[in-house]
Amino acid sequence: GNSVTQMEGPVTLSEEAFLTINCTYTATGYPSLFWYVQYPGEGLQLLLKATKADDKGSNKGFEATYRKETTSFHLEKGSVQVSDSAVYFCALSDRGNRDDKIIFGKGTRLHILP
Amino acid sequence: EPEVTQTPSHQVTQMGQEVILRCVPISNHLYFYWYRQILGQKVEFLVSFYNNEISEKSEIFDDQFSVERPDGSNFTLKIRSTKLEDSAMYFCASRDHGLAGGEQFFGPGTRLTVL
Repeated sequence: GNSVTQMEGPVTLSEEAFLTINCTYTATGYPSLFWYVQYPGEGLQLLLKATKADDKGSNKGFEATYRKETTSFHLEKGSVQVSDSAVYFCALSDRGNRDDKIIFGKGTRLHILP
Repeated sequence: EPEVTQTPSHQVTQMGQEVILRCVPISNHLYFYWYRQILGQKVEFLVSFYNNEISEKSEIFDDQFSVERPDGSNFTLKIRSTKLEDSAMYFCASRDHGLAGGEQFFGPGTRLTVL
């Protein structure tokens, strides 16, 4: 079945550091890939998405590239801010199937120190 | 900007009681979902709903759970007899008529506490 694996947290970085959160996936079809963010006490917000191989999703300085050859969708940001502290979820949805539930990774908690 | 809304934001109930969690999806959306997140764990799919019937449900979604779209705007999740392990954040989501795998928009969640 489809699954998502992302790096364990928590990840603690200093402000302006470079961020990478690794994510790999297993899928039988042609999934869309997502990164969702959950700020403290809030719900899930879509951060970025990519729908086919080699697509790059980007938003708020974050980027992720859909790599079919390595089945990966790593999240990167060149210079993190304290306000980026949150839990980040890598996720997929199978585009080839009408039953397109989203499958989430376990989440990575990110702490940014001032 | 249209958004998914959920009520209540926090529900506290006694074990064995029935609860109904309410969601108002985005108005032109046709596909509806419920997910849950037990504290500190990952978000898990419960059920998807389209054209007034369940499209898919997970093994979590047993006979104690039901969903309904009672009118043109609300989408509800009912738990008939709550258990302690039902304590979680419940998220509603919806998407439009586009291709499967398109973006689902999530509500802010309802935190259910079963005592």
